[in-house]
Amino acid sequence: SQTIHQWPATLVQPVGSPLSLECTVEGTSNPNLYWYRQAAGRGLQLLFYSVGIGQISSEVPQNLSASRPQDRQFILSSKKLLLSDSGFYLCAWAGTGGSPLHFGNGTRLTVT
Amino acid sequence: AQSVTQLGSHVSVSEGALVLLRCNYSSSVPPYLFWYVQYPNQGLQLLLKYTTGATLVKGINGFEAEFKKSETSFHLTKPSAHMSDAAEYFCAVSERSGYALNFGKGTSLLVTP
Repeated sequence: SQTIHQWPATLVQPVGSPLSLECTVEGTSNPNLYWYRQAAGRGLQLLFYSVGIGQISSEVPQNLSASRPQDRQFILSSKKLLLSDSGFYLCAWAGTGGSPLHFGNGTRLTVT
Repeated sequence: AQSVTQLGSHVSVSEGALVLLRCNYSSSVPPYLFWYVQYPNQGLQLLLKYTTGATLVKGINGFEAEFKKSETSFHLTKPSAHMSDAAEYFCAVSERSGYALNFGKGTSLLVTP
């Protein structure tokens, strides 16, 4: 069966520090991969999605970036965090043929 | 572009009462529609989905939803609420399978004894 791993679960970082969040998927090949951010009262905002290695689509301009160095690995990064980057970050994967998104357990990021 | 509107950011029901969470969508092509549930500090779990075929969709935990094209709606219902149903519920729409889902802002369900 397919599983998705996302870490760390919680993270506290000072303003201006770098960020790296990692997500890996097991049990499937060539998944579509996604990064969402959830802020209180604002639902889920799609940040990036990827349909293959090295293929990244950005939905919202920001100081975050994403990379997909391997088929089942998706990384969210920032060179310098802002206070507004605080939130709950969710990684997800999807197959094809109408399949829904499957989410990881999320990373709670607090920028201080 | 497709979008979703969830009516009511907070819904409160008594244990054993009917649960009705409203979702309306906007899409220029036949949509794929989903309902997810989120418990505190956890990821989202799929409740049910509509892609094609039968318009009444049954999901996990006794939930179901009906796709009504004429009303552009996909409301979520459960005949009898349990305390364990208290959570955040998200409706989502996609125009192409496997691509990005657009989520509503969520409805927080409170179940009172």
